[in-house]
Amino acid sequence: DAGVTQSPTHLIKTRGQHVTLRCSPISGHKSVSWYQQVLGQGPQFIFQYYEKEERGRGNFPDRFSARQFPNYSSELNVNALLLGDSALYLCASSLARNRNEQFFGPGTRLTVL
Amino acid sequence: LAKTTQPISMDSYEGQEVNITCSHNNIATNDYITWYQQFPSQGPRFIIQGYKTKVTNEVASLFIPADRKSSTLSLPRVSLSDTAVYYCLVGDPYSGGGADGLTFGKGTHLIIQP
Repeated sequence: DAGVTQSPTHLIKTRGQHVTLRCSPISGHKSVSWYQQVLGQGPQFIFQYYEKEERGRGNFPDRFSARQFPNYSSELNVNALLLGDSALYLCASSLARNRNEQFFGPGTRLTVL
Repeated sequence: LAKTTQPISMDSYEGQEVNITCSHNNIATNDYITWYQQFPSQGPRFIIQGYKTKVTNEVASLFIPADRKSSTLSLPRVSLSDTAVYYCLVGDPYSGGGADGLTFGKGTHLIIQP
């Protein structure tokens, strides 16, 4: 059974640009969460979607947005990129019954120049 | 979510048992303790979760004292491939909606030497 997949694996953008990251959850998982991980830190929660609705949002500016599609895949969008947005962006999917057990994808490495 | 405190780094040798302790003084009644493992440039991987006493699976054991203010992740007979960052998290796995997401600290960087 395939795990969580993310695309692209790496991305280089310049300040002010826009980026879209994509995630496909494990089959049967309806919950998708996004995390940002900067070097040397643990992942920080950005969004959680369940059944195509936003259920939670971390402490991130409005430049960050996301959505979930009918097939439960998800996109994370970041506008007006800043140098500080350079990070590993992780997507995780989970079954609703135990939200502490999340299955993470390999991440998208975003570099903003 | 309750804050956790764990050592920044630990060293050990192949074949040894490694114990990583996590402090969570403000753990709530409904909170469980969960541990994740993360290798460089990969997403974290769920290792084990428990509420009290002892939980064991094929990868690790988790020891939780009666007051639940701390927990210890035990990795038996480690190998070089166990070199990774280990995160201790506390939270209610069954709260509605999971709106808070998982809260990760900086974790413990475990280095296994030959």
